[in-house]
Amino acid sequence: EAGVVQSPRYKIIEKKQPVAFWCNPISGHNTLYWYRQNLGQGPELLIRYENEEAVDDSQLPKDRFSAERLKGVDSTLKIQPAELGDSAVYLCASSLEIGGTEAFFGQGTRLTVV
Amino acid sequence: GENVEQHPSTLSVQEGDSAVIKCTYSDSASNYFPWYKQELGKGPQLIIDIRSNVGEKKDQRIAVTLNKTAKHFSLHITETQPEDSAVYFCAAGSGGFKTIFGAGTRLFVKA
Repeated sequence: EAGVVQSPRYKIIEKKQPVAFWCNPISGHNTLYWYRQNLGQGPELLIRYENEEAVDDSQLPKDRFSAERLKGVDSTLKIQPAELGDSAVYLCASSLEIGGTEAFFGQGTRLTVV
Repeated sequence: GENVEQHPSTLSVQEGDSAVIKCTYSDSASNYFPWYKQELGKGPQLIIDIRSNVGEKKDQRIAVTLNKTAKHFSLHITETQPEDSAVYFCAAGSGGFKTIFGAGTRLFVKA
């Protein structure tokens, strides 16, 4: 069974440029999460989707970050414009049930903003 | 809000010895406590979890204990092997809502 797939694996951009990350969750998983992981830290939740509805986006910096999950499957996370402090690994995870707790993570996208 | 403290930040053990990582949480509503292993360049992988109605859970060389009264939970790895070397994260959450992660423990197992 395929796991959570993210692309790209790595991205280097100049500050003020836009960037987008893509996530394909495990087939049949209803809940999708985007996390940000700074170097030497644990993942921090940015947004959680139940199907196509964003049910927790309190930690998403809405002035520059946006996310969507069309048709309740794949999801994209966008940053526009990127800042130096956005350099981190962006992790996507999914879980089977709505309100489910076991989350399976993708390999992440390492973003470097220069 | 919820806070999860994890100790130690770095742990070095000899192959075959045991390793123990401890976490504390602040939100008494937390009822789900997963542990993740993250290898270099990979995403976190769930290795074991425990729910608040259970005090201890074991899976081969890995065990987790939970003390809800003290808001402590711990990961125990016995007979450590070099391939156990990784960063381990504890986390605490409730009913699928926001799961808060600890800062991680970098475990080195020396052959």
